[in-house]
Amino acid sequence: QLQLQESGPGLVKPSETLSLTCTVSGGSISSSSYYWGWIRQPPGKGLEWIGSIYYSGSTYYNPSLKSRVTISVDTSKNQFSLKLSSVTAADTAVYYCARGRTYYYEVLRINYFDYWGQGTLVTVSS
Amino acid sequence: DIQMTQSPSSLSASVGDRVTITCRASQSISSYLNWYQQKPGKAPKLLIYAASSLQSGVPSRFSGSGSGTDFTLTISSLQPEDFATYYCQQSYSTPTITFGQGTRLEIK
Repeated sequence: QLQLQESGPGLVKPSETLSLTCTVSGGSISSSSYYWGWIRQPPGKGLEWIGSIYYSGSTYYNPSLKSRVTISVDTSKNQFSLKLSSVTAADTAVYYCARGRTYYYEVLRINYFDYWGQGTLVTVSS
Repeated sequence: DIQMTQSPSSLSASVGDRVTITCRASQSISSYLNWYQQKPGKAPKLLIYAASSLQSGVPSRFSGSGSGTDFTLTISSLQPEDFATYYCQQSYSTPTITFGQGTRLEIK
């Protein structure tokens, strides 16, 4: 059974860089069948996609966060990571990592996240 | 950007009720629509992908329909464990994706 686990500091100071790691167990992060993503959820609010990284190494980010986000992968450790720079209180949220996959139906290629980590709360405060 | 609007934002229902949640896209997204269920303090769980395909292990009382701009998630007979928040998510503009604002389903 695939499992994802987020780890990292629960408290980050304003203007600093938030760094989280997602450790994948029960499957290989190197599989070309999947991609990997980060999603966040401010307290009491909805879900916001942060970005994704594909087998090819290509990364894609939410345009609203693009200038501050970096996602990378470490295949030797079966992990992928998120860095979000210049954080403010607005970045306080539960951060989830997730596995993405593609469903092929006729001419459609439909992507979705089928496995998620439990989430980790990151608070931005001095 | 493709905006996803869910309605209602919240609703109250009783065990055994049939419930329908609607998601509307700001432009046509074909069948590039997924539904997730989230319980308090838990990660979202995939219910439906490609508008109407039931994820493995999800009870058959959940169903999805729609194409283009209008989609629905239906729970045919509410069970106690179904009280949660539901989100739609479009992947038409993959790799950029967006979620609806959520629909909170509460016990009447």
